[in-house]
Amino acid sequence: QVQLVQSGAEVKKPGASVKVSCKTSGYTFTGYYIHWVRQAPGQGLEWMGWVNPTSGGTNYAQKFQGRVTMTRDTSMSTAYMELSRLRSDDTAVYYCAREGPSLFDCWGQGTLVTVSS
Amino acid sequence: SYELTQPPSVSVSPGQTARITCSGDALPKQYTYWYQQKPGQAPVLVIYKDTEKPSGIPERFSGSSSGTTVTLTISGVQAEDEADYYCQSADSSTTSVLFGGGTKLTVL
Repeated sequence: QVQLVQSGAEVKKPGASVKVSCKTSGYTFTGYYIHWVRQAPGQGLEWMGWVNPTSGGTNYAQKFQGRVTMTRDTSMSTAYMELSRLRSDDTAVYYCAREGPSLFDCWGQGTLVTVSS
Repeated sequence: SYELTQPPSVSVSPGQTARITCSGDALPKQYTYWYQQKPGQAPVLVIYKDTEKPSGIPERFSGSSSGTTVTLTISGVQAEDEADYYCQSADSSTTSVLFGGGTKLTVL
């Protein structure tokens, strides 16, 4: 079955960077875009962007341009999201999601990133 | 910038019908998707392309669209349906994905 398994929780200091991984299985990795969505505590869902696993091409939400980098490793069927210059308001659960025929048809379990001095 | 607007909360009694709306100027031109999210869990797709239902989603969930408003309807609400619901669409001008602010469904 399709699975997206994310890396574990992270605690970072302001100004640092964090890299979250999303390991996929159960389908052809290069066949579907991977999106990243975050959710601050008690808040709604916020789309961050996507990576095309075939070409490596990306599309980032304007809010994150210049701070986010989405990459992939096709040999590992894994996508990555790196966010730099972290601030306290970047504290959130970060999700990866597969863009299937019905859009986000499968999600990772989420990775809590806490930014605190 | 383009936004999707949802009511913050909807409350219904068990067995009643819950309707959750999502409004946006571009909705007549873009498909809408609905996600259910329970506390501590990842979102789950319940409706796609306005009215389609993924396999495994109960029959009581349905979607409809009229003009700039789309509606998620849950007929015969059950206690297990208590959750946050988010609509999602696209902003073709910026090639961005948009989420509504979310609606908390409370089953009284």
